[in-house]
Amino acid sequence: AQRVTQPEKLLSVFKGAPVELKCNYSYSGSPELFWYVQYSRQRLQLLLRHISRESIKGFTADLNKGETSFHLKKPFAQEEDSAMYYCALSSASNTGKLIFGQGTTLQVKP
Amino acid sequence: EAGVTQFPSHSVIEKGQTVTLRCDPISGHDNLYWYRRVMGKEIKFLLHFVKESKQDESGMPNNRFLAERTGGTYSTLKVQPAELEDSGVYFCASSHLQGPDTQYFGPGTRLTVL
Repeated sequence: AQRVTQPEKLLSVFKGAPVELKCNYSYSGSPELFWYVQYSRQRLQLLLRHISRESIKGFTADLNKGETSFHLKKPFAQEEDSAMYYCALSSASNTGKLIFGQGTTLQVKP
Repeated sequence: EAGVTQFPSHSVIEKGQTVTLRCDPISGHDNLYWYRRVMGKEIKFLLHFVKESKQDESGMPNNRFLAERTGGTYSTLKVQPAELEDSGVYFCASSHLQGPDTQYFGPGTRLTVL
């Protein structure tokens, strides 16, 4: 079954601390993995995707096929990083529909 | 570039009534997706249009939900008759390419069924 799991509903850190939002997936084919973010009062937007191998707003994520994980990391959290983060997968063999995890709320305290 | 728009932003209706949600995708995007987030649960896929054709409607919960995209531009999602469990936030997204392309989301419509 296709599934994305984000084990933490809430992650609270202090400004300047490292952040790791966990994401594990279950998929039999070749998935594309994404992180979407929703800031307060804004719409859901793409943060990064594994295929582009970019660092956006200081965040990176590495696809680990052995551990079926796509954890999102940032070495020094900023207050403006506070938001809801969703891990999602899609597949080149399907229509592009996204399968989302439950989401993790990141709270960065001053 | 104008983003994906959705109307209305909020809708409060009584059980048994009908509601129609509208989504206007980014101009030129052939792919249009509907998703739903029910309280406390993850965002779930409902269906996917390519132009005016339904490509995948495997996520539609039941036959009380009807989606259309006449002319391949905007899309509507009608719920008739609405039930309590239909409450949630309905998102629309569009993308240029089919497959795992970046999807651009609308602000969502919050539906409350009383």
